[in-house]
Amino acid sequence: EVQLVQSGAEVKKPGESLKISCKGSGYSFTSYWIGWVRQMPGKGLEWMGIIYPGDSDTRYSPSFQGQVTISADKSISTAYLQWSSLKASDTAMYYCARFRQQLPRDAFDIWGQGTMVTVSS
Amino acid sequence: AIRMTQSPSSLSASTGDRVTITCRASQGISSYLAWYQQKPGKAPKLLIYAASTLQSGVPSRFSGSGSGTDFTLTISCLQSEDFATYYCQQYYSYPPEVTFGGGTKVEIK
Repeated sequence: EVQLVQSGAEVKKPGESLKISCKGSGYSFTSYWIGWVRQMPGKGLEWMGIIYPGDSDTRYSPSFQGQVTISADKSISTAYLQWSSLKASDTAMYYCARFRQQLPRDAFDIWGQGTMVTVSS
Repeated sequence: AIRMTQSPSSLSASTGDRVTITCRASQGISSYLAWYQQKPGKAPKLLIYAASTLQSGVPSRFSGSGSGTDFTLTISCLQSEDFATYYCQQYYSYPPEVTFGGGTKVEIK
């Protein structure tokens, strides 16, 4: 079964760092781009950026450039989303998702279950 | 950046109704459009890609149409499990830049 499994919920304080993960299985992890999507409480979906695990080529949404870092470790089929200094406004559900085909110009057909990040003092 | 505008933002309908949701792109995107369904507390689920191609396993009561700037998602006979929020997404831009519509919440009348 093709799936993406994300790390568990996190509760952090403002200023803390955080790295969440997304592990792929059931397919060639290095051959498909992975995207990250933010959903703030009660709001819509926002694309943050994408990574190609095969060579770690990364592209960011202008809205998130410089705010987060996307990376991948192909040896363990895992993509990451990290923050160096969290803000309360980073409180949201974060999803990873795989592009349907091996080019980053397609729909997302496989989604992780989401990681809830809560930032509160 | 390409903006995606969905309408309506919410609607009330009854089981058995025909429901239509529209999505407009701020510039032409050919058929590079997908539709997703999201239920509370769950990840989005792909329904349609390439504007009108049904994803495997999705019931045939869902259909999509359009190209260029105007697109439509139709649910031909609404079922109880279809009450959810629906999002459109463009993937025309290259270098890659994905944009989602604001969502349409389908509620029970």
